[in-house]
Amino acid sequence: QIQLQESGPGLVKPSETLSLTCTLSGVSITHYYWSWIRQSPGKGLEWVGYVDDSGITKYNVALRSRVFISVDTSKSQFSLNVNSVTAADTAMYFCARGGGPAALDHWGQGTLVTVSS
Amino acid sequence: SSELIQPPSVSVSPGQTARITCSADSLPNQYTSWYRQRPGQAPVLVIYKDTERPSGIPERFSGSTSGTTVTLTISGVQAEDEADYYCQSADSSGVVFGGGTKLTVL
Repeated sequence: QIQLQESGPGLVKPSETLSLTCTLSGVSITHYYWSWIRQSPGKGLEWVGYVDDSGITKYNVALRSRVFISVDTSKSQFSLNVNSVTAADTAMYFCARGGGPAALDHWGQGTLVTVSS
Repeated sequence: SSELIQPPSVSVSPGQTARITCSADSLPNQYTSWYRQRPGQAPVLVIYKDTERPSGIPERFSGSTSGTTVTLTISGVQAEDEADYYCQSADSSGVVFGGGTKLTVL
């Protein structure tokens, strides 16, 4: 059974870097896109970006200057870094399989990240 | 980038048919997917490639497309279908979500 699990700090200070990891089980990381999506409290879904198994990335234009997504195929993980965070980056962050032309067919449970001093 | 427009809310009584629309501001060149999100839970894929239903999703969920509008139809709505629903597509800029529709079962 395919499972995705987000991990990382739940609290990040303003101007610092938010770092999250998504660990896969029950599925190979190869031949798929892997996405990060976030949801601010009470708001809709916002796609952050995706990476494929070769490390090719695509980012939301609005976040492109602050976001970096990487993949570690040996650990079946992919990671998200968002730098220079503000309160506007406070959100539930989900990882998911898919992106680009592929539907997001498996999601992690999400992890809440709060930006506050 | 493309914008996907959904009605903020739709209300139906149990057993009725709910239709949730998703309109694009330009002709989409990618398929559309639909997701159901219950409170406090992660989204779940209910329709992909405009009309396909993943395994485990009830047959009462269906998708259709006409021009630049795609529609999620839920036939015989049940109380458990009350949730937020999001459409999603892709363009040259990446992935785009609609603003979401809250389905209320009266």
